[in-house]
Amino acid sequence: GQNIDQPTEMTATEGAIVQINCTYQTSGFNGLFWYQQHAGEAPTFLSYNVLDGLEEKGRFSSFLSRSKGYSYLLLKELQMKDSASYLCALSNDYKLSFGAGTTVTVRA
Amino acid sequence: EPEVTQTPSHQVTQMGQEVILRCVPISNHLYFYWYRQILGQKVEFLVSFYNNEISEKSEIFDDQFSVERPDGSNFTLKIRSTKLEDSAMYFCASSDTGASTDTQYFGPGTRLTVL
Repeated sequence: GQNIDQPTEMTATEGAIVQINCTYQTSGFNGLFWYQQHAGEAPTFLSYNVLDGLEEKGRFSSFLSRSKGYSYLLLKELQMKDSASYLCALSNDYKLSFGAGTTVTVRA
Repeated sequence: EPEVTQTPSHQVTQMGQEVILRCVPISNHLYFYWYRQILGQKVEFLVSFYNNEISEKSEIFDDQFSVERPDGSNFTLKIRSTKLEDSAMYFCASSDTGASTDTQYFGPGTRLTVL
């Protein structure tokens, strides 16, 4: 099985940077994905990592360390619209296994 | 930009009734998925589908559930006899290939309420 842990909630100020951590215990996976989900809406793709290291996509970056069982999503220059849940998901065998998500609240 | 669509957006049904949730995946995608999210809980995988066959299913996807690609565009999830605990948001997703590193794109969801 796969055990994926994320903090439940985080709060940050507009314009700041926030780092959302994701740790996992699993026998194996192919990729680690990050999705954003606004309340009542569908998950939307943000970033993914297959190899260890940092992937940068505009204001969002994601990092993976397989040896440490650890990933993080970095959100820079926070905007009010970034208030949402951020879901860490492991991919293998034609499915995604999601963590419970981290709710980020951006304050003015 | 192509997107996954789902109908209806909200379905209310009585316990024991059959429901069919419909999805139109992105047109050139070959792999299709259903996930569900009970209110306040995490997104859970139900089933993946390719070439008119189930590729993988979770333990949630029991005999009460079935999937079908009835034509070249639709992908459906049927629940034969709904239970109260089936109340959830159901998301359809599709991907270009089945590769584990291929991005799955989600539809807006159908909120199923079982009374």
